[in-house]
Amino acid sequence: ELKVEQNPLFLSMQEGKNYTIYCNYSTTSDRLYWYRQDPGKSLESLFVLLSNGAVKQEGRLMASLDTKARLSTLHITAAVHDLSATYFCAVVFGNEKLTFGTGTRLTIIP
Amino acid sequence: KAGVTQTPRYLIKTRGQQVTLSCSPISGHRSVSWYQQTPGQGLQFLFEYFSETQRNKGNFPGRFSGRQFSNSRSEMNVSTLELGDSALYLCASITRTGAPEQYFGPGTRLTVT
Repeated sequence: ELKVEQNPLFLSMQEGKNYTIYCNYSTTSDRLYWYRQDPGKSLESLFVLLSNGAVKQEGRLMASLDTKARLSTLHITAAVHDLSATYFCAVVFGNEKLTFGTGTRLTIIP
Repeated sequence: KAGVTQTPRYLIKTRGQQVTLSCSPISGHRSVSWYQQTPGQGLQFLFEYFSETQRNKGNFPGRFSGRQFSNSRSEMNVSTLELGDSALYLCASITRTGAPEQYFGPGTRLTVT
């Protein structure tokens, strides 16, 4: 059974600082997604990572994938308050079923 | 381009009742998946449909069922509701052309009392 672990579960960081969220998964995967969820809202797609070494960047967020280590990272650069949200990684293997991590609740403190 | 539509957005039911939720995917998308989100269990896969056929099913009891119509709209039904069925139910519209993306609808928040 595919398992996906995220850490940390909770993260408070000051504006302007950098930090990284980690996503580990247990078996070979076809692709990996990162989503953002604001309180009471749905999931917003951030990145799709398809192959080993893939790196994608959008604004202050950068995601990377290491399929050999079964690890993806979401790096936040110079955090701003608007980035406060819960971030999920999700892994797909063999079909379109997404297996989600537990989520990382990120709070940016002014 | 219109996004994923889910109706209703909010629903309150009592134990023992049944409920039907609807999802209309992005135009041209023929695959739809359903997920349940609860504070305790997180996001869990319910089912996936492609061209009216169920391709995958998650580990949920038989009270949870779904279907997809020829226009790609999908419905899920929960019978004999239990308190633990209170959750946010999310539908994802899946594109199979180009980079595979799964776009989520706004969700239906179901409260069972």
